[in-house]
Amino acid sequence: GAVVSQHPSWVICKSGTSVKIECRSLDFQATTMFWYRQFPKQSLMLMATSNEGSKATYEQGVEKDKFLINHASLTLSTLTVTSAHPEDSSFYICSARDRLAGDSNEQFFGPGTRLTVL
Amino acid sequence: GEDVEQSLFLSVREGDSSVINCTYTDSSSTYLYWYKQEPGAGLQLLTYIFSNMDMKQDQRLTVLLNKKDKHLSLRIADTQTGDSAIYFCAESISGYNKLIFGAGTRLAVHP
Repeated sequence: GAVVSQHPSWVICKSGTSVKIECRSLDFQATTMFWYRQFPKQSLMLMATSNEGSKATYEQGVEKDKFLINHASLTLSTLTVTSAHPEDSSFYICSARDRLAGDSNEQFFGPGTRLTVL
Repeated sequence: GEDVEQSLFLSVREGDSSVINCTYTDSSSTYLYWYKQEPGAGLQLLTYIFSNMDMKQDQRLTVLLNKKDKHLSLRIADTQTGDSAIYFCAESISGYNKLIFGAGTRLAVHP
């Protein structure tokens, strides 16, 4: 089956530092990847859609200068949280859409990255 | 607008059937999905159904779709303790890549 990995699985950082999270599709190519944020006991909030070779599309209310997304290859997208603050602490989940998925828009999710900003 | 709603909590006895319900508002939904999330983990796709189908069965899982009422349900037969998790309903809208998720239903299975 399609596997998506995320690295790191958890990270603790000091306020003001930047953190990079990687999302990789391991056995398929993904022209589109998605970044979500999930608060405790809440649903997933789509932050941005990452397209290989082009700029990401951000959802309303998400600061693109704070959450930098790069999708440099068909198997890798990165999310960088710049100048992180405690309110950025959350569970970040990525998903990837198989390039060959057709119309089903089936997305495969990574295991998530828990970010804690002190 | 886009809105997906689910009941937040369901408790069932082991061995019984569980039925998790979901309603959505966008009539242009093309596919509807059920995802499972265990504590501290990402989402696992359980099944999905195309909007022109009424039912889909996959082993212990049965998905029913009432397009007229915009109602989707997931039935888990012979529910086991390992089924305890949060179940998310999601819709995909024609012409858009993104998925719209419900708030999730926490399923608790007790002996």
